[in-house]
Amino acid sequence: LAKTTQPISMDSYEGQEVNITCSHNNIATNDYITWYQQFPSQGPRFIIQGYKTKVTNEVASLFIPADRKSSTLSLPRVSLSDTAVYYCLVFSAGSARQLTFGSGTQLTVLP
Amino acid sequence: DAMVIQNPRYQVTQFGKPVTLSCSQTLNHNVMYWYQQKSSQAPKLLFHYYDKDFNNEADTPDNFQSRRPNTSFCFLDIRSPGLGDAAMYLCATSSRTGGDSPLHFGNGTRLTVT
Repeated sequence: LAKTTQPISMDSYEGQEVNITCSHNNIATNDYITWYQQFPSQGPRFIIQGYKTKVTNEVASLFIPADRKSSTLSLPRVSLSDTAVYYCLVFSAGSARQLTFGSGTQLTVLP
Repeated sequence: DAMVIQNPRYQVTQFGKPVTLSCSQTLNHNVMYWYQQKSSQAPKLLFHYYDKDFNNEADTPDNFQSRRPNTSFCFLDIRSPGLGDAAMYLCATSSRTGGDSPLHFGNGTRLTVT
């Protein structure tokens, strides 16, 4: 079971790029890395998912080094509305028991 | 839009009085999950259904039960709520249990126990 470790909190200013790193040292071959965003009183929302190298979509990029023991969520030019908790999940095919959230990172974007 | 809908958004129940939370989905996903999230904590998986196959987490109290009468609906029953069961309850779906199948969450039901 891949355990994830993230910073508890991060602060940034509007317009900056924010990088949040997640460590998952015992990631398995079949594991995927997925990031979610959660605002207060809402359910988590899927941001991005990857297996290796780099993935980019309209809201974020995900960088995964060759050893896959960590991953970095990159949010370009954050705004106040990006203030939220960000969760990194690592899980593999066929096992919902591995859908366990880590502690998450509280990102606060300051004006 | 396809989505996961939880009703009600807020639920108040009395200590020991059974309560049922509901979840419906228009995504036609095979898998439905129930998570419990307490204040300032990460969501904690209670159980999930793969189609009609029920899977309970080892540390989920017996006080929590679930029903899935069809693909679209899933219910969380708390038989005798205690003060410690006050939390946000989140329903989620995925097309399969594969690692490349993201979760789609509803906005949760916040349960208060008085």
